[in-house]
Amino acid sequence: QQPVQSPQAVILREGEDAVINCSSSKALYSVHWYRQKHGEAPVFLMILLKGGEQKGHEKISASFNEKKQQSSLYLTASQLSYSGTYFCGTEGAGYSSASKIIFGSGTRLSIRP
Amino acid sequence: DTAVSQTPKYLVTQMGNDKSIKCEQNLGHDTMYWYKQDSKKFLKIMFSYNNKELIINETVPNRFSPKSPDKAHLNLHINSLELGDSAVYFCASTSGISYTGELFFGEGSRLTVL
Repeated sequence: QQPVQSPQAVILREGEDAVINCSSSKALYSVHWYRQKHGEAPVFLMILLKGGEQKGHEKISASFNEKKQQSSLYLTASQLSYSGTYFCGTEGAGYSSASKIIFGSGTRLSIRP
Repeated sequence: DTAVSQTPKYLVTQMGNDKSIKCEQNLGHDTMYWYKQDSKKFLKIMFSYNNKELIINETVPNRFSPKSPDKAHLNLHINSLELGDSAVYFCASTSGISYTGELFFGEGSRLTVL
């Protein structure tokens, strides 16, 4: 039930772009994206609620393909501050009296000057 | 004012001991969680409470007992600590119940069992 993230790690030079993918074997209600810097708590980036929805946050955007049960996070013109581990979190479709986010294993992003 | 605060930030203890971690949120949220992050950075949900009521228990060993005295507080007590309990424990809160909104995480409590 844990979503699968790829790649596991990415090394970029400042200014380069990256894509992080997240896929689930279950129908999804929403996809969340978080970034965690070393020694810190995960920080919310965005939630995608509808199939085909795209959202943006500075130069970080994401898409959600509900049919394929996939989401992708796009980082453009990466900055040093983008370094960290990115987690997608998925929430299953269908009514639940107690919803929860299941996180993927994370993608470690390193940006070099 | 910190939105979600956890204490203590660090715990170092011997196997077999009992320890507690406390969490408080001042966001007025109804739902709080405990997540465990192991050395491989995997974030695994453990428990969730909504307004003091346990709503999610992810087959966590009985040695772990959460308690929520009120909707702003969620504590975690761990009995008979084992080496495998070493991890960072994150408390989080959100305003939703049947739909999870943004999760606000505490700073984490790093537990080391020797």
